[in-house]
Amino acid sequence: GENVEQHPSTLSVQEGDSAVIKCTYSDSASNYFPWYKQELGKRPQLIIDIRSNVGEKKDQRIAVTLNKTAKHFSLHITETQPEDSAVYFCAASSNAGNMLTFGGGTRLMVKP
Amino acid sequence: DVKVTQSSRYLVKRTGEKVFLECVQDMDHENMFWYRQDPGLGLRLIYFSYDVKMKEKGDIPEGYSVSREKKERFSLILESASTNQTSMYLCASTPGRRNEAFFGQGTRLTVV
Repeated sequence: GENVEQHPSTLSVQEGDSAVIKCTYSDSASNYFPWYKQELGKRPQLIIDIRSNVGEKKDQRIAVTLNKTAKHFSLHITETQPEDSAVYFCAASSNAGNMLTFGGGTRLMVKP
Repeated sequence: DVKVTQSSRYLVKRTGEKVFLECVQDMDHENMFWYRQDPGLGLRLIYFSYDVKMKEKGDIPEGYSVSREKKERFSLILESASTNQTSMYLCASTPGRRNEAFFGQGTRLTVV
């Protein structure tokens, strides 16, 4: 089955700096890559996703890049703010798209 | 607004008890999932279901079973709870392939 690895497990940045979280996946058939944000005590929520027919997608301060050849994708957050502090999960779909496999999560701390 | 509701926020059970975790979604989603969330391990898939009465094992099905008698409801069953099943359990649903997953608020289960 699919295996998703995520790095780093913790990331501390100064407010205003950029943050980058990287994920690799194993199943070359995976073609959907979402990112979820989980604030303390809350449920994970989708913040951005990318499908395999594009290499990059942006939504305001958030961007995701995908390299299908190397089987890795990354989340980029620019101009970080304290409210960006949360655990971020990457995921990849396998089994013809019905099942999401998640990475281990990254705890992002943005220091004011 | 999609709503995924888990029956309990917190649960304390004794070793050996049979435990039922219930999840209901109100958006007629085809797919439903049960994940287990542990620090540093991310979200690990226990079971998922893509239709009524259909189920597929995820990455860590041992010690668990599931039931989906109606499209909107997906139950996770711990046949004989053990202390190593103490964890946060998250239910999720998606409308189809390669689509956003909507999560429940989570059930923190403690087995003593």
